[in-house]
Amino acid sequence: GAGVSQSPRYKVAKRGQDVALRCDPISGHVSLFWYQQALGQGPEFLTYFQNEAQLDKSGLPSDRFFAERPEGSVSTLKIQRTQQEDSAVYLCASSSSGTGRTGELFFGEGSRLTVL
Amino acid sequence: GENVEQHPSTLSVQEGDSAVIKCTYSDSASNYFPWYKQELGKGPQLIIDIRSNVGEKKDQRIAVTLNKTAKHFSLHITETQPEDSAVYFCAPYGNKLVFGAGTILRVKS
Repeated sequence: GAGVSQSPRYKVAKRGQDVALRCDPISGHVSLFWYQQALGQGPEFLTYFQNEAQLDKSGLPSDRFFAERPEGSVSTLKIQRTQQEDSAVYLCASSSSGTGRTGELFFGEGSRLTVL
Repeated sequence: GENVEQHPSTLSVQEGDSAVIKCTYSDSASNYFPWYKQELGKGPQLIIDIRSNVGEKKDQRIAVTLNKTAKHFSLHITETQPEDSAVYFCAPYGNKLVFGAGTILRVKS
């Protein structure tokens, strides 16, 4: 497709379960970002990749959160032992900018995670 | 880190009126100032951006103005239409893109 694709769109997990959220960026985009958006709030930065290198993971809230982009295209955000406070929409964005920071970000529609 | 504030948090206007949303930031090193629009159930979409060497930029009904000295930039929408109803986020860039809390714009027809 032409845009950023995320799956699943909706995920319900029981507390303590592990979840994996997938992001397919726009083909050829070198930069990929993950953001967490709580209800009624702005997106909060989680992590940033340039190709396969994870250059910034300062926004990951705990060591239960892990992201990878092994071949520089598709990325997976994994959350281990989910907690209720992890409930949010997880947004993936990609950019053609090599620096990844000052160009347009193209967002997917997000994965809504609900932890019961 | 960057402290970003948007005002107002909600804004209701009559169709055809203008709307202005202001964003203040703290990082004097910020050099890129975008505005994103988010519709219900969708990801944010860039609508306009400005860089620090420019004071104003206009694209049809949308404009952004920047005051680097005062560390604020504003989104201006003229001749508002119902399809402008959405949440708008500023996201100034210092060493990373930091999003404001958002402004809910409602355009009443």
